[in-house]
Amino acid sequence: EVQLLESGGGLIQPGGSLRLSCAASGFIFHNYPLTWVRQAPGKGLEWVSTISGSGGSTYYVDSVKGRFTISRDNSKNMLYLQMNSLRAEDTAIYYCTKHLLYYFDYWGQGALVTVSS
Amino acid sequence: DIQMTQSPSSLSASVGDRVTITCRASQGISNFLAWYQQKPGKLPKLLIYAASTLQSGVPSRFSGSGSGTDFTLTINSLQPEDVATYYCQTYNSALPTWTFGQGTKVEIK
Repeated sequence: EVQLLESGGGLIQPGGSLRLSCAASGFIFHNYPLTWVRQAPGKGLEWVSTISGSGGSTYYVDSVKGRFTISRDNSKNMLYLQMNSLRAEDTAIYYCTKHLLYYFDYWGQGALVTVSS
Repeated sequence: DIQMTQSPSSLSASVGDRVTITCRASQGISNFLAWYQQKPGKLPKLLIYAASTLQSGVPSRFSGSGSGTDFTLTINSLQPEDVATYYCQTYNSALPTWTFGQGTKVEIK
């Protein structure tokens, strides 16, 4: 059974940093790209960042480029999102997702990130 | 960037009705289109991918169609458990980027 479990969310002041982690199990980890998707309170879904199975390719939505870094450790079946220079508009639930081709077939429970002073 | 526009933004229908949600892409996307269902307080769930392929375990009353710029999600015989917000999503290989529509909220009349 595929499982994705996020951790690391919390309350952080504007300008601060936070690292999200996602522990994966139930599939051949290095074979799949992984993506972070976020959802602001009461809002829709927004793609944030994707990393290839090898970790050699990474992609970001324009609004987080230069501030967020996605990475993975294939030896530990772990996905990460390092978030720096956080802004109020980054407040959201962040979901770790596994790919099925170009789509997202499994979603973690989500990690709530609140950026507020 | 590709923009995805869903219509309507919300709808109310009776149990047993046929419901259609439309997603329009700002440029041609071939069949790179998925539909997700998000029930209140729950995780998004992949319903359909590649425009018309039903994800394993999804009831057959859900179907998808379209290619190019215009796509539809159809729910045949709406059930109470189908109350949810539905999102379309595409992939742009040129950058690459992934984009969601703004969502369509489906309620029971």
